[in-house]
Amino acid sequence: QVQLQESGPGLVKPSATLSLTCTVSGYSISSGYYWAWIRQPPGKGLEWIGHIYHSGSTYYNPSLKSRVTISVDMSKNQFSVKLSSVTAADTAVYYCARSEPGYSWFDSWGQGTLVTVSS
Amino acid sequence: DIVMTQSPDSLAVSLGERATINCKSSQTVLYSSDSKNYLAWYQQKPGQPPKLLIHWASTRESGVPDRFSGSGSGTDFTLTISSLQAEDVAVYYCQQYYSIPYTFGQGTKLEIK
Repeated sequence: QVQLQESGPGLVKPSATLSLTCTVSGYSISSGYYWAWIRQPPGKGLEWIGHIYHSGSTYYNPSLKSRVTISVDMSKNQFSVKLSSVTAADTAVYYCARSEPGYSWFDSWGQGTLVTVSS
Repeated sequence: DIVMTQSPDSLAVSLGERATINCKSSQTVLYSSDSKNYLAWYQQKPGQPPKLLIHWASTRESGVPDRFSGSGSGTDFTLTISSLQAEDVAVYYCQQYYSIPYTFGQGTKLEIK
């Protein structure tokens, strides 16, 4: 059974770059699926950030596209997100998740990691 | 972007009673080429990630109790819990995967009356 685990700093300063990594176990990223990042501000709803295919093809939410980069490291079975020029509005629980190519419901999720943007 | 609007925002139902949550999309999520509705439902309990319940608007995930059912087509969808159990207390979200950016409803908080 696939498992996903987010890791990275829990506190990021305003204007800095947020960087998180998702480690996948129980399934090889190179075998397929889309690998996604989704965030949830405290007490609020869910926002899809973007996803990456094992080929390296990426798809981003246009609202974040100018600031976000998702990459994959198949040697480590990990994928990562970088979000630049963060503000307090980027404070959220960040989840990594998996979805089927072409049918992007999210069938497996990490536990999430809270990232707070504050000086 | 397709805007997903859920109603109500919160709902209190007695144990054993039916709970109904609605989701409306700002444009159709029914793909004409395959006649499928690109709509999923999730359950999120406090401190946990969302859990996929239903995809294709009405297909239950393996292991999801059959008291959960999804219906609807085009722009109007419903998640029904036929007989509410205590463990169903959660926030429920709909999500469209018809087009990028994938978008979620604002959530419906379900409580016990």
